[in-house]
Amino acid sequence: DQQVKQNSPSLSVQEGRISILNCDYTNSMFDYFLWYKKYPAEGPTFLISISSIKDKNEDGRFTVFLNKSAKHLSLHIVPSQPGDSAVYFCAAIQTGANNLFFGTGTRLTVIP
Amino acid sequence: DTGVSQDPRHKITKRGQNVTFRCDPISEHNRLYWYRQTLGQGPEFLTYFQNEAQLEKSRLLSDRFSAERPKGSFSTLEIQRTEQGDSAMYLCASSSTGSQPQHFGDGTRLSIL
Repeated sequence: DQQVKQNSPSLSVQEGRISILNCDYTNSMFDYFLWYKKYPAEGPTFLISISSIKDKNEDGRFTVFLNKSAKHLSLHIVPSQPGDSAVYFCAAIQTGANNLFFGTGTRLTVIP
Repeated sequence: DTGVSQDPRHKITKRGQNVTFRCDPISEHNRLYWYRQTLGQGPEFLTYFQNEAQLEKSRLLSDRFSAERPKGSFSTLEIQRTEQGDSAMYLCASSSTGSQPQHFGDGTRLSIL
């Protein structure tokens, strides 16, 4: 039972344009959400997070939006750079729990 | 901050053999987690330690799997009598508190022949 879903396996974007990666979840108990970036042969690297008490969190070129009613979050990268090419994983956790639930990832390719 | 370190990076073994992986978390982190990632999937939780205590185990952690964190620092994950289905990337993560992001190592890729 996949509680966190990333329905787009891949996304290609031109350099300088906006990349939007989407994530849906089914468990309403999740209240903390994270995005990780993964390069080949490396572990996931934490990118940005958002608590359910917020609907937006921004860090430089990266912004995460949370729509609790729709159980949907998205990661916006603007402007996209070739170095952003990686697999992006959405993850969710419930306060007090220990295990992150991950989506299946979206492979972003930024075309120079 | 030297990051989470895992050893070995790759392990190839024959079916039925035992394997052991090591994880060294970020030094000030008292929480340590093991995950498994198979092709095309996101990481899946296996187990969690707070200091030396193993406080949670996933049902994915069969009887052939055992994890330890003897002194609350590094951790080991052992798989006995390996099976083909054990082939995966085994990831270790650590965090300072439950509300802080988990930081991952680069993983150990296990291949069963």
